[in-house]
Amino acid sequence: DAGVIQSPRHEVTEMGQEVTLRCKPISGHDYLFWYRQTMMRGLELLIYFNNNVPIDDSGMPEDRFSAKMPNASFSTLKIQPSEPRDSAVYFCASTPAGANYGYTFGSGTRLTVV
Amino acid sequence: QQPVQSPQAVILREGEDAVINCSSSKALYSVHWYRQKHGEAPVFLMILLKGGEQKGHDKISASFNEKKQQSSLYLTASQLSYSGTYFCGTEGPGNTGKLIFGQGTTLQVKP
Repeated sequence: DAGVIQSPRHEVTEMGQEVTLRCKPISGHDYLFWYRQTMMRGLELLIYFNNNVPIDDSGMPEDRFSAKMPNASFSTLKIQPSEPRDSAVYFCASTPAGANYGYTFGSGTRLTVV
Repeated sequence: QQPVQSPQAVILREGEDAVINCSSSKALYSVHWYRQKHGEAPVFLMILLKGGEQKGHDKISASFNEKKQQSSLYLTASQLSYSGTYFCGTEGPGNTGKLIFGQGTTLQVKP
């Protein structure tokens, strides 16, 4: 299995631009999570899905952030408009059935907003 | 609510032991432990479910005290490859699948 695949690996964009991050979970994994990691705030849960349905989006910072999971093999996290404070590493993770199994993280997307 | 890890950082010599603690103010269903090396993604080490079990993985083991809402990660006879940042992730009651991570403990093993 190729693991959780995220793209792009690095993204540099100007403030105000739209950014779309992509994630392909491991086949058969029911849960998909989006986390953001910064030095100041650590690993923050943004949103998670179960069987493509958003379960908890209470960690999404504000309306500029949105996430979708149109099918079991693809999810996107969109930021519009982007701001410098959104600069972080964004990880996608998946797991087969709740947290009785460990998460498998993707390699992450390092986002820099200038 | 974010669990609290201690210590924040540890420096060891090869062969020495270390303990990393994770404490939550809320009742827990499970605790996960992950290790992250610089510039890489976190990697799953082990999960402990409520029931106070202890698990081992090579020379890395962990315990979970459900009543105290605490977990500890034990690294014995540390190796250079153990260097990295260790995170605990806690899941509240209800088996939601949702993990909240601690702030991390940086472990550096020197030759």
